[in-house]
Amino acid sequence: SAVISQKPSRDICQRGTSLTIQCQVDSQVTMMFWYRQQPGQSLTLIATANQGSEATYESGFVIDKFPISRPNLTFSTLTVSNMSPEDSSIYLCSVSDSPSGNTIYFGEGSWLTVV
Amino acid sequence: GENVEQHPSTLSVQEGDSAVIKCTYSDSASNYFPWYKQELGKGPQLIIDIRSNVGEKKDQRIAVTLNKTAKHFSLHITETQPEDSAVYFCAAQWAGSQGNLIFGKGTKLSVKP
Repeated sequence: SAVISQKPSRDICQRGTSLTIQCQVDSQVTMMFWYRQQPGQSLTLIATANQGSEATYESGFVIDKFPISRPNLTFSTLTVSNMSPEDSSIYLCSVSDSPSGNTIYFGEGSWLTVV
Repeated sequence: GENVEQHPSTLSVQEGDSAVIKCTYSDSASNYFPWYKQELGKGPQLIIDIRSNVGEKKDQRIAVTLNKTAKHFSLHITETQPEDSAVYFCAAQWAGSQGNLIFGKGTKLSVKP
């Protein structure tokens, strides 16, 4: 499986600021996704990162709050904008090399605390 | 939309015993069912998965069974070891939703030595 690296791994952020999370994969992958895991909770898909075009967002997530880029087949960024304490979560980059989007692997996550 | 329920939320077993975690899903169009293990401070690790054209799959001490009629699937861990202690998540994905896994709420498994 692909090796997924995320930066930062952990951060404490001030309310009202924005933070960009980077995701680097060691091989070209078909699909890249961003998930959120709130404290003690399950995982929820934020969006699919599309190479060279706008991301596809799930219900409840909007581009102004979570802008995403994917300039190539191995790299993506997620920005969490104008953060509030409710944004304290683990943000997980995930990838699939399957045309159907199955067999999804996750990175180690970026653990954000907003104070 | 799809909904996945997972039971139990916590499970404690003695080392060497078996552990079973069960999930049910609501959308009969779902056709892919992975299981993830998440250790403290780490991301979810894919440990086994099954597709709807298969009833059972094994990988060493881990097995997954799928009952499409009843819309439920289960994870079986035999000969449990302390390093199996983690949170386990089941998930379901339907054919038209690339990458959109719907997760259960997780089961915290504790294996006592």
